[in-house]
Amino acid sequence: SQKIEQNSEALNIQEGKTATLTCNYTNYSPAYLQWYRQDPGRGPVFLLLIRENEKEKRKERLKVTFDTTLKQSLFHITASQPADSATYLCALPINQAGTALIFGKGTTLSVSS
Amino acid sequence: SQTIHQWPATLVQPVGSPLSLECTVEGTSNPNLYWYRQAAGRGLQLLFYSVGIGQISSEVPQNLSASRPQDRQFILSSKKLLLSDSGFYLCAWIRQGAGGELFFGEGSRLTVL
Repeated sequence: SQKIEQNSEALNIQEGKTATLTCNYTNYSPAYLQWYRQDPGRGPVFLLLIRENEKEKRKERLKVTFDTTLKQSLFHITASQPADSATYLCALPINQAGTALIFGKGTTLSVSS
Repeated sequence: SQTIHQWPATLVQPVGSPLSLECTVEGTSNPNLYWYRQAAGRGLQLLFYSVGIGQISSEVPQNLSASRPQDRQFILSSKKLLLSDSGFYLCAWIRQGAGGELFFGEGSRLTVL
């Protein structure tokens, strides 16, 4: 079955720097990959979706890359702000049919001013 | 507009007692529905999903069960709770035509004592 690894449990950076979070998967290459943000005590909120035929996707200060050869996605937040502090989750379809998503354990980002 | 409601928001239950968590989606028809659990120190775990009334797929065959008695209602149940059932339970749905991203409810925090 598909497995997801988000290598860092926690990442601490200074305001204004770029945060880079990593998501690796172990099995088949998914048709797409998603990133979510979760604040304490709240449900995750969708941020970006990138498809297997897309190398890069941008949304404001967010950038996601998808490398099917490395089986890896990178999630970047540029010009980070304290308000970006949260847990970021990577998600993939559980199977080729894509009927459900499974999530990585997440990386907790802390941005200090 | 499309919304998702989950209740109760918080509950404290003794070991061995039953459980019923409810989730209702408004503003759409025939959504795919999901139950996830987030336990302390663990990631977001997929428990059940449903692609239609009466259709339930289980990913974690523990002492929990799910039912979908109506198109937009998803219920998570247990006959006898265990200490290990404590956690943050999240209901989610996929909005039609939205590229497969999940929209989560506000969650139900369960503490089993």
